[in-house]
Amino acid sequence: GQNIDQPTEMTATEGAIVQINCTYQTSGFNGLFWYQQHAGEAPTFLSYNVLDGLEEKGRFSSFLSRSKGYSYLLLKELQMKDSASYLCAVIAGDYKLSFGAGTTVTVRA
Amino acid sequence: ETGVTQTPRHLVMGMTNKKSLKCEQHLGHNAMYWYKQSAKKPLELMFVYSLEERVENNSVPSRFSPECPNSSHLFLHLHTLQPEDSALYLCASSQGTDYNEQFFGPGTRLTVL
Repeated sequence: GQNIDQPTEMTATEGAIVQINCTYQTSGFNGLFWYQQHAGEAPTFLSYNVLDGLEEKGRFSSFLSRSKGYSYLLLKELQMKDSASYLCAVIAGDYKLSFGAGTTVTVRA
Repeated sequence: ETGVTQTPRHLVMGMTNKKSLKCEQHLGHNAMYWYKQSAKKPLELMFVYSLEERVENNSVPSRFSPECPNSSHLFLHLHTLQPEDSALYLCASSQGTDYNEQFFGPGTRLTVL
């Protein structure tokens, strides 16, 4: 099975930067996803990393180090609408997507 | 809107009831999934269907019975559930099962009394 760890909660101020770390232990690693989930809504895709390095998409960036079993999601220029749960998920083997428990980010004015 | 719809959005049922959850995807995908999301716990994969064939049953109790009549529809039939089965049940779809982004529906909030 997979072991995926991420912090439970984080709080930051509007306009600031927040970094959500995710560590994992898995065999047959085939990529790591980040999803955003607002309360009462479906998770929505943010990013996918399979090679080491940084992937940037506007205000959101995701980093992966396969050798360290480590990823982070970087949220820049935080907005109130970024308050949500952020889910780290690892795909191992073929289709098995295993999720962390999620990090609830609260953005304060 | 992600292109995946689920009905009902909320369901309250007794332990002796039989009910079904429905999922429909409008994305032309050929793989569909059921997940269970309990408070403060990771999403748990329950079932995977690829090309309408069940390819994964992740040790789910038999009181949960999935059905995939075609590539666009997925059902989860429920009977004699327990209060601990109360959770958010999420459906997802993807194009193939290999490392592809999964699109999630909004979920059905299930409460078992």
